[in-house]
Amino acid sequence: EVQLVESGGGLVQPGGSLRLSCAASGFTLNDHFMDWVRQAPGKGLEWVGRIKNKAFGYATDYAASVKGRFTISRDDSENSLYLQMNSLKTEDTAVYYCGRNTRGALDYWGQGTLVTVSS
Amino acid sequence: ETVLTQSPGALSLSPGERATLSCRASQSINNIHLAWYQQKPGQAPRLLIYGASSRASGIPDRFSGSGSETEFTLTISRLEPEDFAVYYCHQYGGSFGGGTKVEIK
Repeated sequence: EVQLVESGGGLVQPGGSLRLSCAASGFTLNDHFMDWVRQAPGKGLEWVGRIKNKAFGYATDYAASVKGRFTISRDDSENSLYLQMNSLKTEDTAVYYCGRNTRGALDYWGQGTLVTVSS
Repeated sequence: ETVLTQSPGALSLSPGERATLSCRASQSINNIHLAWYQQKPGQAPRLLIYGASSRASGIPDRFSGSGSETEFTLTISRLEPEDFAVYYCHQYGGSFGGGTKVEIK
């Protein structure tokens, strides 16, 4: 059974940093690109970024709103995906989801982890 | 960046009725690069349609997707009680539409 489990969310002050993790199981992580998507309270989905697999050199793409502040990485040997978030702003407050990317569509999602940026 | 605009923002319908949701792209999308998701309160989104018209595994055939270039449609032929939710379109480059809430009339 494919499972994605996010962790690492919490309360952080503006300007602070946080690292989210996504533990993958039930499939071969290296076969897939992986995405991060977020959802601010009461709002819609916002794509955060993507990391491609080894065959594509682990290339990354980011939304303009997070580029230069967020970094996506992965450790296929540990079946894990990461989102390093720096210089956090109040508008980064959201539930963060990791998603398995299969030929572009996100066919499996984690349950999400809440990040609250507030003083 | 391709912007996706969904309409209407909300749709009030009764069980058994047909729902037609629209997603318009600001520039032409290769139609294999468009997906639809369903999200219920407190849950993660669920993939319904990929490649504009292919149903994901386990998705009932009352859900169908169509369209090309800049105009895409998700149709629910006969609404079941469990279909009342928010629906999002997504283009594979990253962006999501703003969502359409299908609510019980």
